Amino acid sequence: SQTIHQWPATLVQPVGSPLSLECTVEGTSNPNLYWYRQAAGRGLQLLFYSVGIGQISSEVPQNLSASRPQDRQFILSSKKLLLSDSGFYLCAWTKRWNRGIRSYNEQFFGPGTRLTVL
Amino acid sequence: AQSVAQPEDQVNVAEGNPLTVKCTYSVSGNPYLFWYVQYPNRGLQFLLKYITGDNLVKGSYGFEAEFNKSQTSFHLKKPSALVSDSALYFCAGGDYGGSQGNLIFGKGTKLSVKP
Repeated sequence: SQTIHQWPATLVQPVGSPLSLECTVEGTSNPNLYWYRQAAGRGLQLLFYSVGIGQISSEVPQNLSASRPQDRQFILSSKKLLLSDSGFYLCAWTKRWNRGIRSYNEQFFGPGTRLTVL
Repeated sequence: AQSVAQPEDQVNVAEGNPLTVKCTYSVSGNPYLFWYVQYPNRGLQFLLKYITGDNLVKGSYGFEAEFNKSQTSFHLKKPSALVSDSALYFCAGGDYGGSQGNLIFGKGTKLSVKP
């Protein structure tokens, strides 16, 4: 079965410090991977997604960057954190189901990382 | 453009009463739809999905949802709410048979069940 891991679970960082959040998926190969941010327990903001190693699409220009150094590893980074970077960060992967000529995506989420920037 | 809407930010229900969390969609082609639930400081968990077939879909924890093509809706329902159902609920959808598009999420609805 497939599992998705995120670490750390919680992080408190000072403004201006660097950031590295890691996400790994087990039990599947070549997944589409996603980073979302959620502010104050509300909606999901898609930050980045990746369809393969080294391939990153950015949905929102900001202080963050993402990298995919290995097939099942997705990293979210920042060189200098801002107060506004605080939030709950979720990693997800997509399983594509094929049914004849049609297909659909099912998304699975990690446990999340609570980031507080002080 | 494709979209999924959850018109209510919050739904308040008394324990034991039926609950409905609303979702409408605008998806070209043939829609497929999901409901996810999120408890505080946790990731989203799958509740149920509609792909094709029966319009009434049953899922985890006694939840069900009805796909209504004419009203472009996929409302989440439960006959008798529990306090433990209090959480954030997300509707999501896409085009079954479409290209490799990302799943589109609604903004979420906070469900509060009072004893």
